[in-house]
Amino acid sequence: AQKVTQAQTEISVVEKEDVTLDCVYETRDTTYYLFWYKQPPSGELVFLIRRNSFDEQNEISGRYSWNFQKSTSSFNFTITASQVVDSAVYFCARRGNTGFQKLVFGTGTRLLVSP
Amino acid sequence: GAVVSQHPSRVICKSGTSVKIECRSLDFQATTMFWYRQFPKQSLMLMATSNEGSKATYEQGVEKDKFLINHASLTLSTLTVTSAHPEDSSFYICSARDGTGGSYEQYFGPGTRLTVT
Repeated sequence: AQKVTQAQTEISVVEKEDVTLDCVYETRDTTYYLFWYKQPPSGELVFLIRRNSFDEQNEISGRYSWNFQKSTSSFNFTITASQVVDSAVYFCARRGNTGFQKLVFGTGTRLLVSP
Repeated sequence: GAVVSQHPSRVICKSGTSVKIECRSLDFQATTMFWYRQFPKQSLMLMATSNEGSKATYEQGVEKDKFLINHASLTLSTLTVTSAHPEDSSFYICSARDGTGGSYEQYFGPGTRLTVT
C-alpha cells in the first residue's frame, strides 16, 4: 500500500511558538495530489491546502506555510506564531490520478497549543 | 463553495437495530461518494466508494452485508449499518467528488457520530 506517514503523534507547544508537522508519502504515480486537513474537536474536516506533484513551489497562507520536497517525498506544514485555536488533529493525505482517485490519509498529528 | 451535508449528525441506537446515514451534495452533482470510518484518536479509514447507479466498491475487510451503501442519485448516498453492535460505534464521514470541470475535488461532510448501546 502506498502509505502516508506522520511520524509525530502529538506535539505540544506554547502559544506564539512555531511548529512544523511532518508528512512523508509513498507513491508510484507520476501525477498525484497532496493535501492537509485540520480536524478540530467538532470532528468536521477543514481543508487547508492541495498541492499537485508538478508544483514544488512552497506556499504561504497567513501563518501557515507548506514545504513540498519531491526528492524526499515530504510535504511538511509549518504554523508560525501558533495560537490556541490551532489546537486540532492535522491530517496529511495523498490522492492518485487514476481509478477512483481515493484519498489515503496519514495517521494524523495532534497539536496542542497552550496559552 | 461546495457543501456536503450528513444526517443525522449524532445517533444513538440499541444493539441489533439498523441505522441509516444520509450524505447529500447540496450544490453540485457527485458521481462518486466515499464513506470513511474514524475510531477515536485514529485516522480516517476508507470503507467504500460508491458511484451513482452502480454497486459500491468496498475496501478489504469491510463487510458488504453489514454496511449497505446506496447511491441512488447524483446528490444522495446512504450508508445503512445493519444489526449494529457496540463495536460499530464510530464517527462516520462521507465525502462527495465533484466531477464537473475536471476538478475531481472531494468535499467532506461534517460527520455522523454513531453510538450503539
